[in-house]
Amino acid sequence: GENVGLHLPTLSVQEGDNSIINCAYSNSASDYFIWYKQESGKGPQFIIDIRSNMDKRQGQRVTVLLNKTVKHLSLQIAATQPGDSAVYFCAENRESGGYQKVTFGIGTKLQVIP
Amino acid sequence: NAGVMQNPRHLVRRRGQEARLRCSPMKGHSHVYWYRQLPEEGLKFMVYLQKENIIDESGMPKERFSAEFPKEGPSILRIQQVVRGDSAAYFCASSPDWDTEAFFGQGTRLTVV
Repeated sequence: GENVGLHLPTLSVQEGDNSIINCAYSNSASDYFIWYKQESGKGPQFIIDIRSNMDKRQGQRVTVLLNKTVKHLSLQIAATQPGDSAVYFCAENRESGGYQKVTFGIGTKLQVIP
Repeated sequence: NAGVMQNPRHLVRRRGQEARLRCSPMKGHSHVYWYRQLPEEGLKFMVYLQKENIIDESGMPKERFSAEFPKEGPSILRIQQVVRGDSAAYFCASSPDWDTEAFFGQGTRLTVV
């Protein structure tokens, strides 16, 4: 189900270090996963996606890992920068009632320490 | 290609008034999602629409809230007789298909006074 009413967990990382943000999903039938970044006062922005037939996908400074066995998704950010400070949401696209629906995880706030 | 456009960006309403939030999806996108977000919390799904059809409104309160996505024009989220608890950021997202990324608008921040 959706995590509503729970406050965001926070991850503090030193500038230049790597960040790892984790997400657990609930539905083993989900076949498409997306990471979004939301800066303060703005809407979520697409970062990277991965389909269930893959276990790793790389972008520019970001890598998403998918472990279907334990239903776990992670986002790795290399050489974290102050501009990476934001809330990060994972989203799963799953079949629900005969159609596909995007459902968000609770999110993690990333704070980069200069 | 303009992104998802939401207006107004900020909306102040007195208790009991109606709030109308508009969302113009990206060109070519026929799938629209509405989400609600309280400060320091995640996005809560409200409703999923395709052109002229409500597909899933399981996240919307049964009373006072309604949504539409007409054949022409923007998607509208309507909140009647607003209460203080309706104060939140409301985000709209659109996608061209069910299994592709959804693009988000900048949101409408509703404040009920």
